[in-house]
Amino acid sequence: QVQLVQSGTEVKKPGASVKVSCKASGYTFTASYIHWVRQAPGQGLEWMGRINPNSGGTDYAQKFQGRVTVTRDTSISTAYMELTSLTSDDTAVYYCARDPRYGDYDFWGQGTLVTVSS
Amino acid sequence: EIVLTQSPGTLSLSPGERATLSCRASQSVSSSRLAWYQQKPGQPPRLLIYDASTRATGIPDRFSGSGSGTDFTLTISSLEPEDFAVYYCHQYGSSPPEFTFGPGTKVDIK
Repeated sequence: QVQLVQSGTEVKKPGASVKVSCKASGYTFTASYIHWVRQAPGQGLEWMGRINPNSGGTDYAQKFQGRVTVTRDTSISTAYMELTSLTSDDTAVYYCARDPRYGDYDFWGQGTLVTVSS
Repeated sequence: EIVLTQSPGTLSLSPGERATLSCRASQSVSSSRLAWYQQKPGQPPRLLIYDASTRATGIPDRFSGSGSGTDFTLTISSLEPEDFAVYYCHQYGSSPPEFTFGPGTKVDIK
């Protein structure tokens, strides 16, 4: 069965960086894009970017350009999202999600809470 | 960027009633690349509908999606107790990709 398992809770200070991992299993990792979506406490969903695990090609939301980097390691079927220059506004649950077609998400990771606080 | 507006913000209904949720886009969504998700507290979203009207695997047929262009609708024909949740629409048709979500509609128990 398809599973996306994310790394655990992170607490960071303002100005730091965070790197969240997303390990895929149950399907061919290189066959589907992986997207990253975040959700601030009590708020809605926000698309951050995506990676083509086959080619490594990426696309990012304008809002995060220059601050987010999505990478992958095909040898261990894992995608990563790194966000730099963190502020309290980056406090959120970060999700990875599988895109089986053109951009909808059929499987999601469990979410990783990132708290930014001094 | 395509802005999605959902209405109403909150829908208060009783089990067995019909729910109609609206999602309006600021510009036409290419190829009807619009999805609907259900989210319950503490859980990731769950895909219900993709490409505006196709039910995802395992989704009951009381959920249906319709629409094209800028106006889309999610209908729950008869609410079950487990359907009380927040629903988000999501467009993924923009190129270059700048995918967006609506702010959500909360369906709660009247």
